[in-house]
Amino acid sequence: DAKTTQPTSMDCAEGRAANLPCNHSTISGNEYVYWYRQIHSQGPQYIIHGLKNNETNEMASLIITEDRKSSTLILPHATLRDTAVYYCIVRVDTGGTSYGKLTFGQGTILTVHP
Amino acid sequence: GAVVSQHPSWVICKSGTSVKIECRSLDFQATTMFWYRQFPKQSLMLMATSNEGSKATYEQGVEKDKFLINHASLTLSTLTVTSAHPEDSSFYICSARERAYGYTFGSGTRLTVV
Repeated sequence: DAKTTQPTSMDCAEGRAANLPCNHSTISGNEYVYWYRQIHSQGPQYIIHGLKNNETNEMASLIITEDRKSSTLILPHATLRDTAVYYCIVRVDTGGTSYGKLTFGQGTILTVHP
Repeated sequence: GAVVSQHPSWVICKSGTSVKIECRSLDFQATTMFWYRQFPKQSLMLMATSNEGSKATYEQGVEKDKFLINHASLTLSTLTVTSAHPEDSSFYICSARERAYGYTFGSGTRLTVV
């Protein structure tokens, strides 16, 4: 699976948009971009994923550049509860019933402050 | 959405004893589950892939005789830490893949060996 690069930490004011970047310059054509977050002492939580088109759900938006070498996770109105470590992961989605492993990098520590 | 239940959430054991951690998929069948370990201020490290009805696949450097994995049914995988020592103290997290919801993680088990 392709390697990702994320900033170590970021700050965001409560109520503002949090934009978390991720570089994945070696991504292959069949690799998806996944975002997860981990709040302290909990298991990771799925946020969103996409292949090439921008995606939006109730939690966040995912913007993928046209060349797919980078992406940005957007939390439109950050709250204090969004303080967590955010992981960007790229991997092949083989579908079916055979699922490959998910490998985590160091992620970005997002701190939302009042 | 898909839910993965992990039990216990925390456990303290004496050095030399064994500890079993359970991971259950509550509303879906999981032919494959994953076990991770996370030390303080570090990312999740994949330990092994658990396959229903067959032997687990361990990552390089993980002792298969120390970390016994059993995936006896489509909804249950167990990780047994045998002859635990203080250096095995860590946060253990399981994960399962569900077709519609992607990878779902348990809430984790905090193991402290004294």
